[in-house]
Amino acid sequence: DTEVTQTPKHLVMGMTNKKSLKCEQHMGHRAMYWYKQKAKKPPELMFVYSYEKLSINESVPSRFSPECPNSSLLNLHLHALQPEDSALYLCASSPDRERVREQYFGPGTRLTVT
Amino acid sequence: AQKITQTQPGMFVQEKEAVTLDCTYDTSDPSYGLFWYKQPSSGEMIFLIYQGSYDQQNATEGRYSLNFQKARKSANLVISASQLGDSAMYFCAMRDDFGNEKLTFGTGTRLTIIP
Repeated sequence: DTEVTQTPKHLVMGMTNKKSLKCEQHMGHRAMYWYKQKAKKPPELMFVYSYEKLSINESVPSRFSPECPNSSLLNLHLHALQPEDSALYLCASSPDRERVREQYFGPGTRLTVT
Repeated sequence: AQKITQTQPGMFVQEKEAVTLDCTYDTSDPSYGLFWYKQPSSGEMIFLIYQGSYDQQNATEGRYSLNFQKARKSANLVISASQLGDSAMYFCAMRDDFGNEKLTFGTGTRLTIIP
């Protein structure tokens, strides 16, 4: 099973809402990633977790809060977002930080902030 | 700092023809890896092919091959016998090999296969 699943597929939220994005993999991978992709742009790395510990935060605003409760699960908690945060949010995993070559992506969550 | 350049924002190719997507890169690191990903309209990033900077031969994966010219710092993707399902966005990406898990992506090329 080489699948990374993400829920929900689509999310519309107001600027005062609190919501969470969920990502799951059962490949035994120990590195997990969040990317943000604006329309017609390449993905931009947001966070990297390695062995359930946050190893990279690419200066992401605090209204985005990642969480890795176990090795299979990665959440992104959203609070007080802005319309410019509307984007496709991609989750990915790899066996570990070194083996980026074997990085698998999920289908993404399309987020719209109104 | 690493930089990836894809100069073709869009390409239209007749079905069954071969297509070359351009990618040039810039890095001062001696050891690095180059990737190509396909992103259909559904959004998922699909890994296509990988080339290590010290690999002696150009990488191939089925209909995909990577034309790696190290001196020119180019890593073009060649798709042979294109199919309608190849219509998608294609991203070239790079990472250095010094324990840096960050991928640097190019701006992408939108490929449309014409029947």
